[in-house]
Amino acid sequence: DIQMTQSPSSLSASVGDRVTITCRASQSISTYLNWYQQNPGKAPKLLIYGASSLQSGVPSRFSGSGSGTDFTLTISSLQPEDFATYFCQQSYSTPRTFGQGTKVEIK
Amino acid sequence: QVQLVQSGAEVKKTGASVKVSCKVSGYTFSNDGISWVRQAPGQGLEWMGWISAYNGNTHYAENFQDRVTMTTDTSTSTAYMELRSLRSDDTAFYYCARDHGVLYWGQGTLVTVSS
Repeated sequence: DIQMTQSPSSLSASVGDRVTITCRASQSISTYLNWYQQNPGKAPKLLIYGASSLQSGVPSRFSGSGSGTDFTLTISSLQPEDFATYFCQQSYSTPRTFGQGTKVEIK
Repeated sequence: QVQLVQSGAEVKKTGASVKVSCKVSGYTFSNDGISWVRQAPGQGLEWMGWISAYNGNTHYAENFQDRVTMTTDTSTSTAYMELRSLRSDDTAFYYCARDHGVLYWGQGTLVTVSS
């Protein structure tokens, strides 16, 4: 199974800050990496697919990069509605595996 | 638009079984598989398995393969996940997701297991 290691597990930031979350795969997954946002009590919502493609309707302050084993999600200017938990997920193979999540909290 | 609508919350006794449904619309059901993912309160996401809506082939996660059965009904574009021999640590939100590599999620079903 491909292990996904996400960091940090939580961070505190202010509105307007630039935030970066990283995800590392235990083996190369090319660009088969997706990012999701989850608010409390809600289902995850797709933000980025294929490591760097922005899902329709997602604000352009979200961006993704990376390939192989190392990936990043960047929020260029944090907005109040962005305080949530973020997960990465590999779609290279089954079993699908997820990072453990990064909770973005208000500083 | 793509929608996955799951059945309502369930409360079960330890040792019982639960069957969660997931009705899809907005795309051709047989074109993609359905993954099931669960999330215990305050925890991360745990993939339970996948079923092809085209031919019913399944791939279950090792942690669940003895207790889970995933099925589909192509006539109603509905997927089902049955989990048996429930334990208290099975209390979680259970999500179905259209699996196109990328996951498109249902709203989730809370299953509560207590003695």
